[in-house]
Amino acid sequence: EDQVTQSPEALRLQEGESSSLNCSYTVSGLRGLFWYRQDPGKGPEFLFTLYSAGEEKEKERLKATLTKKESFLHITAPKPEDSATYLCAVQVNSGYSTLTFGKGTMLLVSP
Amino acid sequence: GAVVSQHPSWVICKSGTSVKIECRSLDFQATTMFWYRQFPKQSLMLMATSNEGSKATYEQGVEKDKFLINHASLTLSTLTVTSAHPEDSSFYICSASQQGRRVGNQPQHFGDGTRLSIL
Repeated sequence: EDQVTQSPEALRLQEGESSSLNCSYTVSGLRGLFWYRQDPGKGPEFLFTLYSAGEEKEKERLKATLTKKESFLHITAPKPEDSATYLCAVQVNSGYSTLTFGKGTMLLVSP
Repeated sequence: GAVVSQHPSWVICKSGTSVKIECRSLDFQATTMFWYRQFPKQSLMLMATSNEGSKATYEQGVEKDKFLINHASLTLSTLTVTSAHPEDSSFYICSASQQGRRVGNQPQHFGDGTRLSIL
């Protein structure tokens, strides 16, 4: 069974305090790993897709990396507007394009 | 690009009522749409995968007769919660993917969800 585990469940940072969120996965064959941001009462907003170990992608203060067992979302000098729940999801090699989501990391950045 | 619109954003209705939720891809054709359910502080749980012009594929434990899905066009899928009861209250979110089910690594783009409250 495919599993996705995110840690920590919640993270509180001061503005400017860099940190990383973790997504560990156990799948039969990874097709892609996706990071999303979700604000309260909203649907997830797509951030990144990573396909193979060693791949990195950046967007503003966010940088996502991938290994064979886990992915990290690095947040550099976060701002209060980065506060949200960050979701990790995996897609496996099969005939379907379904995603399996982790439970997310709730990030709060204080001014 | 890749905007998904979901309507309504919230519904409050009496027990026994049927509720229809619409999911539209506004600027792309969605061969595949997905319906999720999310409980407070929990992750998204896939309910069903909807392919245009064919029957939806439901996840284990999801009642087909309870949650009716129709994907009649490349830009519209609907979820109808039939004879809704308080335990059906939840946050329902749809997503759409531009590629068919066998070409899967394009991201899913999500609507803003529908908050359903059954009294």
